[in-house]
Amino acid sequence: QMQLQESGPGLVQPSETLSLTCSVSGGSISSYSWNWIRQPPGKGLEWIGYILYSGDTNFNPSLKSRVTISIDTSKNQFSLKLSSVTAADTAVYFCAREVMVRGYGMDVWGQGTTVTVSS
Amino acid sequence: SYELTQPPSVSVSPGQTARITCSGDKLGDKYACWYQQKPGQSPVLVIYQDTKRPSEIPERFSGSNSGNTATLTISGTQAMDEADYYCQAWDSNTGVFGTGTKVTV
Repeated sequence: QMQLQESGPGLVQPSETLSLTCSVSGGSISSYSWNWIRQPPGKGLEWIGYILYSGDTNFNPSLKSRVTISIDTSKNQFSLKLSSVTAADTAVYFCAREVMVRGYGMDVWGQGTTVTVSS
Repeated sequence: SYELTQPPSVSVSPGQTARITCSGDKLGDKYACWYQQKPGQSPVLVIYQDTKRPSEIPERFSGSNSGNTATLTISGTQAMDEADYYCQAWDSNTGVFGTGTKVTV
């Protein structure tokens, strides 16, 4: 059974870069799209972007200028970087996989990691 | 940008049927998925490709999608179904989540 685990700093200074990693265990990182989603306190889910095994990426247009997603197939990990953060980027950040067939949904999620942007 | 709109809340008595709608422009031309999220937990996929259930999801969960509206139906709602529910679709390779609906049993 594949499992995902997010890791990274829980506190980030305003204007700095948020960096998170999602470690994939129990299966190969190939054959899926790997997504980042966030949820501000008390609010709904927001899709941030995805990366494929090939390295192809796609991002939420509202975040595109600040987001980088990369993949390290040798370590079975993928990562998120969000630059120039503000308090509005405070959220629980989730990683999730989706089978590369349109509409299959994100069927495996990490437990989420809380990131607070504050000085 | 593409938007998916859900009612903020739905209230249902135990054993009754809950219906949660998700509205978006020509949503029926896309696939809709549904997620259940309980407090402090990660979302769980309950419906994919409009109508399909993952094997571990109870049969009381069903979905439909036509025109501009996708619907998640919970038949014989149980107390354990109390949660937030989100629809999700893809618009030109961009993921979009609905605004979310809190189901109270």
